[in-house]
Amino acid sequence: NAGVTQTPKFQVLKTGQSMTLQCAQDMNHNSMYWYRQDPGMGLRLIYYSASEGTTDKGEVPNGYNVSRLNKREFSLRLESAAPSQTSVYFCASSPNAGDSPLHFGNGTRLTVT
Amino acid sequence: GENVEQHPSTLSVQEGDSAVIKCTYSDSASNYFPWYKQELGKRPQLIIDIRSNVGEKKDQRIAVTLNKTAKHFSLHITETQPEDSAVYFCALGGAGSYQLTFGKGTKLSVIP
Repeated sequence: NAGVTQTPKFQVLKTGQSMTLQCAQDMNHNSMYWYRQDPGMGLRLIYYSASEGTTDKGEVPNGYNVSRLNKREFSLRLESAAPSQTSVYFCASSPNAGDSPLHFGNGTRLTVT
Repeated sequence: GENVEQHPSTLSVQEGDSAVIKCTYSDSASNYFPWYKQELGKRPQLIIDIRSNVGEKKDQRIAVTLNKTAKHFSLHITETQPEDSAVYFCALGGAGSYQLTFGKGTKLSVIP
């Protein structure tokens, strides 16, 4: 039982490049989330998927897109990376949206030069 | 959206002393209040949570108290140890929201 698995662990991009962060969970959770974490800013929600087949914007969605591929997988795409997107990205899942514990992946450290 | 304020932002205590972190919120419909611990370079992990029908919950050296009237909840760590050093985040949810709202975190340092 791996929990929440994120890939890659580290990534360096040049401004304007694109990439997709992958996330998968094996806990049969309904809800999945993408957060970014910057120093002094805590955890900010980018997008979430309350259940399979739905996605919604969080606090900081600009510059990102998501796909809930199936119940297990939720990917985050940066179409044209900007230095402001340098951050640590965490995927998380929970049994239900909004009122149950979040289980986080190990994070992806992204640097955009 | 919902707002939660967390204080203090940094906290230093001597080993063996207690530490208290407080979060205040505004939406009285919130009904789920978890706390997460994040060690340096690691992912956040749930350490304790409480729901609105309970005023206090304990798990060994950690406890959470909830005052729904005053709209605040607190994390209490007793007999602190160096391995308690980390960043702690409060969060709240429920009330028909599909997401948790996080506080900005408290960096706790336990001095041996």
